[in-house]
Amino acid sequence: DAGVIQSPRHEVTEMGQEVTLRCKPISGHNSLFWYRQTMMRGLELLIYFNNNVPIDDSGMPEDRFSAKMPNASFSTLKIQPSEPRDSAVYFCASSLITGESGYTFGSGTRLTVV
Amino acid sequence: SQKIEQNSEALNIQEGKTATLTCNYTNYSPAYLQWYRQDPGRGPVFLLLIRENEKEKRKERLKVTFDTTLKQSLFHITASQPADSATYLCALLYNQGGKLIFGQGTELSVKP
Repeated sequence: DAGVIQSPRHEVTEMGQEVTLRCKPISGHNSLFWYRQTMMRGLELLIYFNNNVPIDDSGMPEDRFSAKMPNASFSTLKIQPSEPRDSAVYFCASSLITGESGYTFGSGTRLTVV
Repeated sequence: SQKIEQNSEALNIQEGKTATLTCNYTNYSPAYLQWYRQDPGRGPVFLLLIRENEKEKRKERLKVTFDTTLKQSLFHITASQPADSATYLCALLYNQGGKLIFGQGTELSVKP
């Protein structure tokens, strides 16, 4: 398995633009997580899905953020409109729903909003 | 809300020594406590999991302890090597199907 695949690796966009981050989880994993990492706040959980269903989106900062998981092999995180304070590294992770084998993280998307 | 505390200061040790990292948490104990390693520019990598009813877990040069009375986990790397230099993250999972909450991490530097 190629692991969790995220795209793009880097994204630079202007304030106000829409940004879409993509994630392909490991085949067979039935939980998917979106995290954001900054120096100040560390790794923050934004939203997670079990069996493609959103379970907890309490970490999504504002209505500008939305996430979807249309099927077991694909998820998106969208920011519209983007703001400079959204600049961070966004990680997608997947796991078995038990969580006992740990989470597998992607390489992340470094987002810069100017 | 749950708070996880890890040594905020970087830990610097000499090659061959044992590195010990601390993770403290508030409120109730998680069902599972996990440790991850993160290298610059990369995502965290899972190392070890210890369950609420386990006191200690080992994997090669790694050892994790879990004390639910003290609300603390210790992570040990024996015979440390420069290649062990990284940030180590503690994470709590309260139930299967739940969410994993991370501490801020401790940066470890092993000098040759």
